[in-house]
Amino acid sequence: SQTIHQWPATLVQPVGSPLSLECTVEGTSNPNLYWYRQAAGRGLQLLFYSVGIGQISSEVPQNLSASRPQDRQFILSSKKLLLSDSGFYLCAAKTIGEWDTDTQYFGPGTRLTVL
Amino acid sequence: AQSVTQPDIHITVSEGASLELRCNYSYGATPYLFWYVQSPGQGLQLLLKYFSGDTLVQGIKGFEAEFKRSQSSFNLRKPSVHWSDAAEYFCAVGRNNNDMRFGAGTRLTVKP
Repeated sequence: SQTIHQWPATLVQPVGSPLSLECTVEGTSNPNLYWYRQAAGRGLQLLFYSVGIGQISSEVPQNLSASRPQDRQFILSSKKLLLSDSGFYLCAAKTIGEWDTDTQYFGPGTRLTVL
Repeated sequence: AQSVTQPDIHITVSEGASLELRCNYSYGATPYLFWYVQSPGQGLQLLLKYFSGDTLVQGIKGFEAEFKRSQSSFNLRKPSVHWSDAAEYFCAVGRNNNDMRFGAGTRLTVKP
């Protein structure tokens, strides 16, 4: 079964600073990968998804970007953080081509606080 | 467009009591339906899912959910709640690659 790692677990950054959050997946190949944001007291908002290396789709226009440099690595970035970027960021993976498809599995999340 | 509604933002039940969390969905075709649980500061853990077949599905931790097409519902149930079940629960719907939608969540508090 797949395991999803996220780094770092928590992060406190000043407004205007850059951001890089990393997600790596073990135990599967060629997964679909997703970045979600969960604001306090809210549900999950899909930010980006990727169906392959270098392929990124953005769901919500914002000052964040995503990249997929390797098959099982997904990175969320920003050049200049805003206060509104604070939240809990979750990475998810979905394996394609097996019985258990169409099921997203989540990493442990990264808590980002922008001050 | 697909959507998911969880009508109850917060539910409180006593330990040992039964639990039902509501989920209603809107979807153009037969959906895939999911329930996830999230403990504070943690990621989401899959409890159960419905793709097809038997409309009553069993999940982990003693949870079950029933798909009712006529009511567009997929309610989550547990006959006897344990204190460790206190968490936030999310219903989700989707079928194709990347159109999964989550409800806003229901926070469960368990009283001793």
